[in-house]
Amino acid sequence: ETGVTQTPRHLVMGMTNKKSLKCEQHLGHNAMYWYKQSAKKPLELMFVYNFKEQTENNSVPSRFSPECPNSSHLFLHLHTLQPEDSALYLCASSSGLAGDNEQFFGPGTRLTVL
Amino acid sequence: QKEVEQDPGPLSVPEGAIVSLNCTYSNSAFQYFMWYRQYSRKGPELLMYTYSSGNKEDGRFTAQVDKSSKYISLFIRDSQPSDSATYLCAMSAMGDDKIIFGKGTRLHILP
Repeated sequence: ETGVTQTPRHLVMGMTNKKSLKCEQHLGHNAMYWYKQSAKKPLELMFVYNFKEQTENNSVPSRFSPECPNSSHLFLHLHTLQPEDSALYLCASSSGLAGDNEQFFGPGTRLTVL
Repeated sequence: QKEVEQDPGPLSVPEGAIVSLNCTYSNSAFQYFMWYRQYSRKGPELLMYTYSSGNKEDGRFTAQVDKSSKYISLFIRDSQPSDSATYLCAMSAMGDDKIIFGKGTRLHILP
């Protein structure tokens, strides 16, 4: 595996379900990100982890809970979601070094909340 | 005023034409400017990365930054059907690991 991988690629869940999205990067990076991409809206940054520490929480509802056990893995735990949470959830990684803003994206998880 | 403005399109041009994609922004602190390409059902991939003002060329792609006008452009020469995708502009300030994205422009190159 190379680059940034995400599983599952597609997920359909009910509003009472609990599920998790997984992201893994094979680039030796130290920073990882979760983004939400909805139709006709810009990419929305949700969370940033740098050297496993959460450095950004962009006013995301508590029904989204991130976890970063090490610099290669990032999870997004989902519970009691709403239909408006249906979107493409993208993971990205970067070196985490000052001045290096290049982010590499995974293919995303297409989430549908019924 | 939104931080980054980008016309969502869609933009349809014939194969071989020169394509011009643009974004405007309001935050004068932005120093890093990027263009990402996103194919359907895929994540964005970085196409061009520039720092401050000026031009950068890579094959058929040229990125221009005009900080005085707060305006960035991406030109695609000799456009191909394989260039059909959504193009997202993105930018960030010095020392900030947050990137602000435009909405993306859907581009169709007609064979």
